[in-house]
Amino acid sequence: DQQVKQNSPSLSVQEGRISILNCDYTNSMFDYFLWYKKYPAEGPTFLISISSIKDKNEDGRFTVFLNKSAKHLSLHIVPSQPGDSAVYFCAARGLYNTDKLIFGTGTRLQVFP
Amino acid sequence: GAVVSQHPSWVICKSGTSVKIECRSLDFQATTMFWYRQFPKQSLMLMATSNEGSKATYEQGVEKDKFLINHASLTLSTLTVTSAHPEDSSFYICSARPPDYGYTFGSGTRLTVV
Repeated sequence: DQQVKQNSPSLSVQEGRISILNCDYTNSMFDYFLWYKKYPAEGPTFLISISSIKDKNEDGRFTVFLNKSAKHLSLHIVPSQPGDSAVYFCAARGLYNTDKLIFGTGTRLQVFP
Repeated sequence: GAVVSQHPSWVICKSGTSVKIECRSLDFQATTMFWYRQFPKQSLMLMATSNEGSKATYEQGVEKDKFLINHASLTLSTLTVTSAHPEDSSFYICSARPPDYGYTFGSGTRLTVV
């Protein structure tokens, strides 16, 4: 039962353009969402987060949008850079008032010149 | 910033032996740590929540007798894979949540059982 899903396993974007990564969740109890970037054989690196009481959070080139009614969030990266190429995971927190994170299935982003 | 140190970064062991992975919070105290595993090209699956001074909480489907978790101090949690088999080969990652800071992850341990 995958409670957090990223339906696009891969995404290819040209350098300078916008990258949009999507994430859907099923449980309305989640109260906090995070995006991580990950390289093979390394731990995830935190990018940006958003509380369920907000619908947008921005940090530099990264913006996360949350649509609670649709149980959907997205990460926008603009402008995309080749160094952004990695696997991106969304994660959700809040089930049963715990701190544990539930991760999505991941999207591999490739930014080409 | 808050750092979680995990080691070893990789380990190869023979089938039937046990392997211990350590996760340390270097500059903060962590009453709770989390253990994940990741198979190739798959998501990070939460295995268990490690609680300092008490028993770990395991996710459904995770064998607690096979994956022993000990959280004896506020800065150290260990995961022991007992009687390892090739199907236990995976990438194991620990995480902690420092005060006033987001979740921070260790660098992971690549376990290969031969």
